[in-house]
Amino acid sequence: EVKLLESGGGLVQPGGSMRLSCAASGFTFTDFYMYWIRQPAGKAPEWLGFIRNKANGYTTEYNPSVKGRFTISRDNTQNMLYLQMNTLRAEDTATYYCARGGLGWFAYWGQGTLVTVSS
Amino acid sequence: DVVMTQTPVSLSVSLGGQVSISCRSSQSLVHNNGNTYLSWYLQKPGQSPQLLIYKVSNRFSGISDRFSGSGSGTDFTLKISRVEPDDLGVYYCGQGTQYPYTFGAGTKLELK
Repeated sequence: EVKLLESGGGLVQPGGSMRLSCAASGFTFTDFYMYWIRQPAGKAPEWLGFIRNKANGYTTEYNPSVKGRFTISRDNTQNMLYLQMNTLRAEDTATYYCARGGLGWFAYWGQGTLVTVSS
Repeated sequence: DVVMTQTPVSLSVSLGGQVSISCRSSQSLVHNNGNTYLSWYLQKPGQSPQLLIYKVSNRFSGISDRFSGSGSGTDFTLKISRVEPDDLGVYYCGQGTQYPYTFGAGTKLELK
């Protein structure tokens, strides 16, 4: 059974940093693209970016809305996905999900972790 | 960015009825490789979104055949037949053809 479990969310001040983690299990982690998606309360999801699989060199793509502030990485020895978020703003407040591809779609989603950016 | 426009914003249905949700993209979703990366998701209250349909018309594992997707280019439709209580929630279309990937604003399916 595919499982994705996010952690690391919470309250952070504007301008601060936070690292989210996603523990993956139930599948061969290195075979899949892994995604980060966020969703402000009551709004549609927003794709943040992805990190490719082993066959595609673990390279990354980002939404321009977060490029340069957010960094996606993975630890393939621990089956972990990470999202490093810097210079956080109030508009980054959302529930953050990790997801497993599909190429171009999101087959499995975690339960999400809430990030609140506020002073 | 590719803008995804969903209609209607909300939909009321009787149990056992049939509904259609439209999703239109501002640009063609046909990828250079010939695939069309249009997917549909359902977000039930208090839950994460779940994949229903990928590449326009492919049902994801475990998804009932009451859900069907169709369309091409910029115009897509999700049909739900014999609506059940567990189908209620917000439906989103999403495109994975062009960066950044984008979602529609959602269609809320409610009971009449």
